[in-house]
Amino acid sequence: ELKVEQNPLFLSMQEGKNYTIYCNYSTTSDRLYWYRQDPGKSLESLFVLLSNGAVKQEGRLMASLDTKARLSTLHITAAVHDLSATYFCAVDETSGSRLTFGEGTQLTVNP
Amino acid sequence: IAGITQAPTSQILAAGRRMTLRCTQDMRHNAMYWYRQDLGLGLRLIHYSNTAGTTGKGEVPDGYSVSRANTDDFPLTLASAVPSQTSVYFCASRDRPPIRPGVEPQHFGDGTRLSIL
Repeated sequence: ELKVEQNPLFLSMQEGKNYTIYCNYSTTSDRLYWYRQDPGKSLESLFVLLSNGAVKQEGRLMASLDTKARLSTLHITAAVHDLSATYFCAVDETSGSRLTFGEGTQLTVNP
Repeated sequence: IAGITQAPTSQILAAGRRMTLRCTQDMRHNAMYWYRQDLGLGLRLIHYSNTAGTTGKGEVPDGYSVSRANTDDFPLTLASAVPSQTSVYFCASRDRPPIRPGVEPQHFGDGTRLSIL
């Protein structure tokens, strides 16, 4: 059974600081997704990582994938308040039929 | 605007009642999914469908049923609701090509907030 674990689960940071959210998963996969969810809202796709060593960047967020370590990271550079949200990683089973989500990391960026 | 429509947006339901949550997408995606979201547990897959006419069980299927009569619609039915089914339910879809399935992310609806009393 595929397990996906994120840490930290809660993150409070100051504006302008850098931080990394980690996503570990338990079985072989080369497809990993990051989503953002604002309170009371739906999930928005941020990144799709499809191979070992994949790196994607959008604004202050950068995601990477190490399939050998079964680890993905979401790095936040110079955080701003607008990045406050819950971030989920999700891993595709090798069959490609379904995603398993991590518990989510609730990020709060304080002025 | 193309996307996924879920209905109702919220509902309060008495235990023991039957309830169907509706999900319609207009993107012609072949795969559709139902998740429930509970605090501290992330999203858990209830049922999925890789193509019209087929369905599969997810992580937490008990107490739920689905059907996929056509590409666009994927209703979720609670035959006899129980309080533990109080949750936020999200429908999702994605294009799942036969070669390299999984290259597209799932797209989510706005959710249905369901309270069972």
